[in-house]
Amino acid sequence: EVQLVESGGGLVKPGGSLRLSCAASGFTFSSYSMNWVRQAPGKGLEWVSSISNSGSYIYYADSVKGRFTISRDNAKNSLYLQMNSLRAEDMAVYYCARGDGDYVSSPLEYWGQGTLVTVSS
Amino acid sequence: QSVLTQPPSASGTPGQRVTISCSGSSSNIGSNTVNWYQQLPGTAPKLLIYSNNQRPSGVPDRFSGSKSGTSASLAISGLQSEDEADYYCGAWDDSLNGQVFGGGTKLTVL
Repeated sequence: EVQLVESGGGLVKPGGSLRLSCAASGFTFSSYSMNWVRQAPGKGLEWVSSISNSGSYIYYADSVKGRFTISRDNAKNSLYLQMNSLRAEDMAVYYCARGDGDYVSSPLEYWGQGTLVTVSS
Repeated sequence: QSVLTQPPSASGTPGQRVTISCSGSSSNIGSNTVNWYQQLPGTAPKLLIYSNNQRPSGVPDRFSGSKSGTSASLAISGLQSEDEADYYCGAWDDSLNGQVFGGGTKLTVL
């Protein structure tokens, strides 16, 4: 059974940093692209970042480019999102999602339960 | 503003057929396949339709998808109360180099 479990969310002050993690199990992690998608309270889905299976291809939404860094450790079956210079508008539930293939444009086939990031002074 | 455009709401009675539209552009729907996601209240999104009209294992055949040009639609036939959810269309955008979503459609079963 595919499982994606996010962690690392919490309360952070504006300008602060946070590192999210996503522990994957139930599939060959190194064979699939991975993504971060966020959802602000009461709002719709917003794609944040994607990384190919090998980590060679990485893309970011303009809203987070230069502040967020996606990475993966295929040996540890883990996906990460380093978030710096956090703003109020970054407050959201962050979902880890697996693509249905190794390419970054693949559909988001499996989703974790999400981790809440709150940005407030 | 979302890159893909969906109606904010839709409704139907049990047993009815409802459709949800999704409009995009040449850089997303026009050149890539469309996916649909269902988000039940308080839960994570779930892939409902991929590659325009394919259903993942376990998704009832009451759900179907189609695409024409730069638009797509999701149809739900034999509407059931458990279909009440938010539905999002999504696609890869070649200009933005990222996934794009519609704003979501809240489906109410009357």
